[in-house]
Amino acid sequence: DAGVIQSPRHEVTEMGQEVTLRCKPISGHNSLFWYRQTMMRGLELLIYFNNNVPIDDSGMPEDRFSAKMPNASFSTLKIQPSEPRDSAVYFCASRASPGQGLGEQYFGPGTRLTVT
Amino acid sequence: GQQVMQIPQYQHVQEGEDFTTYCNSSTTLSNIQWYKQRPGGHPVFLIQLVKSGEVKKQKRLTFQFGEAKKNSSLHITATQTTDVGTYFCAALPRGGADGLTFGKGTHLIIQP
Repeated sequence: DAGVIQSPRHEVTEMGQEVTLRCKPISGHNSLFWYRQTMMRGLELLIYFNNNVPIDDSGMPEDRFSAKMPNASFSTLKIQPSEPRDSAVYFCASRASPGQGLGEQYFGPGTRLTVT
Repeated sequence: GQQVMQIPQYQHVQEGEDFTTYCNSSTTLSNIQWYKQRPGGHPVFLIQLVKSGEVKKQKRLTFQFGEAKKNSSLHITATQTTDVGTYFCAALPRGGADGLTFGKGTHLIIQP
């Protein structure tokens, strides 16, 4: 099993540019999570999907952030326009099935985003 | 929102010493998970605790869930250099939907 796949692994962009982060969950997993990790704020849940449906996006910092899951094998997190304070490591994680926070989450390797 | 406090933030130990990290919540938790993240890596699941007072062991690691389901701990006996990393608790408050709240983590630094 390839595990959760994220791309790109590193992204450097200028302020104001659009950034798209991509995630392929483990095949057969029905829940997908997007997290952001910074030294100051730690690991924050941005949004999660169950069966491709967004369930809770209350962690999305502002309207510049959007996430989609068009099918069970692909999700994107988009930032438009990007700002320097968006610099962080963004993780995608998948889980076999939905259910009251139960079950192991498998994290991808992360995308390190730097906005200059 | 739900706060999960984790202490200490950093812990320096000599190799062979024990290590403990604590996770506390002001509200009752439905369940709690523990993850480990190596430097430059991604979080990796260690264990899940669901029952009040539950204790689970994995070799040198012992995990506890408090009787009131408001706190949890991870204890490592006789640390080794391979234990270096950041240990996170992640919790779901009772009545919560599905999204976990992560603690800030405890960074374990081991001096040989």
